Amino acid sequence: DVKVTQSSRYLVKRTGEKVFLECVQDMDHENMFWYRQDPGLGLRLIYFSYDVKMKEKGDIPEGYSVSREKKERFSLILESASTNQTSMYLCASSTSGYLAGANVLTFGAGSRLTVL
Amino acid sequence: TQLLEQSPQFLSIQEGENLTVYCNSSSVFSSLQWYRQEPGEGPVLLVTVVTGGEVKKLKRLTFQFGDARKDSSLHITAAQPGDTGLYLCAGPPINDYKLSFGAGTTVTVRA
Repeated sequence: DVKVTQSSRYLVKRTGEKVFLECVQDMDHENMFWYRQDPGLGLRLIYFSYDVKMKEKGDIPEGYSVSREKKERFSLILESASTNQTSMYLCASSTSGYLAGANVLTFGAGSRLTVL
Repeated sequence: TQLLEQSPQFLSIQEGENLTVYCNSSSVFSSLQWYRQEPGEGPVLLVTVVTGGEVKKLKRLTFQFGDARKDSSLHITAAQPGDTGLYLCAGPPINDYKLSFGAGTTVTVRA
């Protein structure tokens, strides 16, 4: 069964700590995404990557950075966590192109981060 | 302001009743996707609609894409407790490749 795996389901961190959220996909997808999900706001795109070492800012990149050193792995980094970054973080991947099935996201189960 | 507006935000119904969730925009979309998210899990794709006016059925779920490709609806017939979840619509606007998501509709089906 193909999947996107987020290594940490629940994390509790203190303000100012550096936080790493890891995501691995086994579908050989070109594109990988990091979203945050907050009640009433839906999913908001933080960063995405369409190739190894390539990244583009999404709608809310401030306070975050990303790393994609290998095709299957996409990491989200909070350099100095703040309380307003308490949220559910969802990683997703998709294939590229214009054929049917392209641009459809496969999500991980999410990482719920609490910053105290 | 979100590009895709979903309504209602919450829906609680009895098992066996029907329900409809709406997804509207003033923008034209290349396609629209519907996802369902269960508690503690990530969203899972239910369907993609591509052609204006398209209707797709998935067992008791019927999805429709508006003729102008600005809106979509999800209709569930004879809802069951297993239909409980957060329903999200998403799509790439014309001339963009990134998905925009609606805020979601939380559906609760009581046994």
